[in-house]
Amino acid sequence: GAVVSQHPSRVICKSGTSVKIECRSLDFQATTMFWYRQFPKQSLMLMATSNEGSKATYEQGVEKDKFLINHASLTLSTLTVTSAHPEDSSFYICSASELGGRSNQPQHFGDGTRLSIL
Amino acid sequence: AQSVTQPDIHITVSEGASLELRCNYSYGATPYLFWYVQSPGQGLQLLLKYFSGDTLVQGIKGFEAEFKRSQSSFNLRKPSVHWSDAAEYFCAVGARAAGNKLTFGGGTRVLVKP
Repeated sequence: GAVVSQHPSRVICKSGTSVKIECRSLDFQATTMFWYRQFPKQSLMLMATSNEGSKATYEQGVEKDKFLINHASLTLSTLTVTSAHPEDSSFYICSASELGGRSNQPQHFGDGTRLSIL
Repeated sequence: AQSVTQPDIHITVSEGASLELRCNYSYGATPYLFWYVQSPGQGLQLLLKYFSGDTLVQGIKGFEAEFKRSQSSFNLRKPSVHWSDAAEYFCAVGARAAGNKLTFGGGTRVLVKP
């Protein structure tokens, strides 16, 4: 089945540090990847849609300068949390849909990244 | 805009008993519907999906779900729960018109009693 790898699984760093999270589709190509944020005991909140070869589309209220997204290839999207602060601490999850033109492909999720800013 | 409601925040069920998780959605056209399961500290695993056709869909781990258009529901069921089914379950709706973005319900945490 389709596998999405997310790295790192856990990050602990000081306030002011920038953190990069990678999302890779291992056995399929994905023109679109999605980045979600999940607070404890809550549901997933879509942050942005990452489009290969073009700019990401951000959801309302998400700061694009804070959360930089790059989707340089059909198998890799990165989310960089710039100048992270304690309020950015959260669980970040990416997902990807298989290429193929079918708009109803399910999204496959990575295992998430637990970001803790001290 | 699409929305998803999972009325039950928590459900406790005895091992071996049946389980049903409710999901109601709001969307103007035929939605794509999904159920995902999340174990603590991990990502989401797809249990099953509905796109069209047979309204009763079978998924992995013995789960099934039934799409009822008249009730705008997509409830998840399992006849006999195992202790390993304890997890958080999310119903989600997607739509082509929304760029295939998923909207998730609030989730239902399932606790399994021995």
